[in-house]
Amino acid sequence: AQSVAQPEDQVNVAEGNPLTVKCTYSVSGNPYLFWYVQYPNRGLQFLLKYITGDNLVKGSYGFEAEFNKSQTSFHLKKPSALVSDSALYFCAVRPPRGGKLIFGQGTELSVKP
Amino acid sequence: EPEVTQTPSHQVTQMGQEVILRCVPISNHLYFYWYRQILGQKVEFLVSFYNNEISEKSEIFDDQFSVERPDGSNFTLKIRSTKLEDSAMYFCASGFRDRDTGELFFGEGSRLTVL
Repeated sequence: AQSVAQPEDQVNVAEGNPLTVKCTYSVSGNPYLFWYVQYPNRGLQFLLKYITGDNLVKGSYGFEAEFNKSQTSFHLKKPSALVSDSALYFCAVRPPRGGKLIFGQGTELSVKP
Repeated sequence: EPEVTQTPSHQVTQMGQEVILRCVPISNHLYFYWYRQILGQKVEFLVSFYNNEISEKSEIFDDQFSVERPDGSNFTLKIRSTKLEDSAMYFCASGFRDRDTGELFFGEGSRLTVL
């Protein structure tokens, strides 16, 4: 079965500090991996994706993610967090044969001044 | 920038009533999806739609649910007889190609409250 896990329900970070939001996946073959962000009462906004190539991918708003095949992880990172980064973050996987996005349960990121 | 639009933004209905949620996907997209999210929790897949037919559906998408693309622009989700547990945020999404590596684009959602 294909699945995505986000082990932390909540991550708290001080503004200016680096942040990491963790994601691991279980998909046969080489998956396509995505991060989305959801601000309160809003839809899901695409942040970045990994398809192939360089394991470090850069996305919107200064976010980046590191793909690690051996650990089946795709952690979201940002070198310096902003208060405005506070939101719900979803990791998602798309099987290599295509099809629906499968989402993790989400991680609430809280950045305090 | 093109976007997915959804209406209504919020609908309150009585249990047992029919509800239709509407979506206008991005115009050159070919694949369409409905997801739902209960109380800001996990985003759950309901159904995918391509070439005027359902390509995949989840266990949640039972006989009470149906989807339709009545014209070249709208994509609708109908719940025939709503239940309390149907209360959720429903998101429409579209993508240019299903087997591609592309991301899906989501609308702002329709919040359904069943009383």
